[in-house]
Amino acid sequence: NAGVTQTPEFQVLKTGQSMTLQCAQDMNHEYMSWYRQDPGMGLRLIHYSVGAGITDQGEVPNGYNVSRSTTEDFPLRLLSAAPSQTSVYFCASSYNRFANNEQFFGPGTRLTVL
Amino acid sequence: AQSVAQPEDQVNVAEGNPLTVKCTYSVSGNPYLFWYVQYPNRGLQFLLKYITGDNLVKGSYGFEAEFNKSQTSFHLKKPSALVSDSALYFCAVRDRSTGGFKTIFGAGTRLFVKA
Repeated sequence: NAGVTQTPEFQVLKTGQSMTLQCAQDMNHEYMSWYRQDPGMGLRLIHYSVGAGITDQGEVPNGYNVSRSTTEDFPLRLLSAAPSQTSVYFCASSYNRFANNEQFFGPGTRLTVL
Repeated sequence: AQSVAQPEDQVNVAEGNPLTVKCTYSVSGNPYLFWYVQYPNRGLQFLLKYITGDNLVKGSYGFEAEFNKSQTSFHLKKPSALVSDSALYFCAVRDRSTGGFKTIFGAGTRLFVKA
């Protein structure tokens, strides 16, 4: 199993550009989520999904869209990049929607917005 | 609202000495509690979790954590630190009474183990 994979590893955008961060998992996990990691702030939840076709907002959803058309894939779309979105983005998955399950994290995408 | 506090930005310990990384939490209901570790330029890795039952939870790499409901704490411990334990540690909570779909992470504590 590859686990949770993310592409690209690094990305530089100009303000106003849009892009999609890709996330895939091959563990047939029901629950998937996106976080951003900023220094001194830990990880903050952007969006999550409890199954194909079902998504919901986390703590910091503004400026981001998600979709979940398949169990395996959970892309994160930046609509119009802003310097405040410079961060490290992590995708994670867990076996099912129940809260007692630990999450498996991808390696991250390091995004810089100029 | 849920919250997690890790009061120490950094913990320094000598190799072979015991280590403690502190975590306190606030939830409206009953918590599920987790510890994760992050090595440089890597994603987070699961260490251990408290769901129910025994307050002392054992996890990967010799780590353990003690759940204390009255003090709302979930401190991470290891009897003898290794240089390879140096990393960034995150405490996290999910509130089972609200469905637990959202995980709240602490700000992280950097552990530095000196040889």
